[in-house]
Amino acid sequence: TQLLEQSPQFLSIQEGENLTVYCNSSSVFSSLQWYRQEPGEGPVLLVTVVTGGEVKKLKRLTFQFGDARKDSSLHITAAQTGDTGLYLCAASGGYQKVTFGIGTKLQVIP
Amino acid sequence: DVKVTQSSRYLVKRTGEKVFLECVQDMDHENMFWYRQDPGLGLRLIYFSYDVKMKEKGDIPEGYSVSREKKERFSLILESASTNQTSMYLCASSLLGGYTFGSGTRLTVV
Repeated sequence: TQLLEQSPQFLSIQEGENLTVYCNSSSVFSSLQWYRQEPGEGPVLLVTVVTGGEVKKLKRLTFQFGDARKDSSLHITAAQTGDTGLYLCAASGGYQKVTFGIGTKLQVIP
Repeated sequence: DVKVTQSSRYLVKRTGEKVFLECVQDMDHENMFWYRQDPGLGLRLIYFSYDVKMKEKGDIPEGYSVSREKKERFSLILESASTNQTSMYLCASSLLGGYTFGSGTRLTVV
């Protein structure tokens, strides 16, 4: 089982600030996904990254996959209260089986 | 809009009861998964299935079983519920790449 470490575990920021959260492992991933989960709901897929060095943008969210495919980051520009949630990274194994990190709990304060 | 539907949002069961959690997807996905999510432990894979009548143990299968009689339906069974099975249970399906999750079932065993 791959171990995925996410940091920070908790983050509380003011609306309008920028932030970056990280996902790291000692293993090489074939692909990595980022999800956002709101309280009482299931996670929702934000992005899948596959190629080392890949950068994907989703409005104010920028996702980067490390060159060695062992780490990833999620950067949010000008955070809004609607960004509040649990951000999970996940890495793929066989049979589409995915291992999840524990997540970063983000709170954006108005 | 594609969907994974879990039959109950909240359940309260007594210790020793047999509990059925139902999950249905309308996306014709081959792969289906059951996770439990606990604070500080993240999402842990209980069982998964990559075809009808096929099942594979995940990381924490003890105390659980599953059934997949039809492609669209994947059921999780707690043979004799115990208090340490109190948790948020999440069903997911996938074809290639990322998961689509249901909204979750919060199970309390008393």
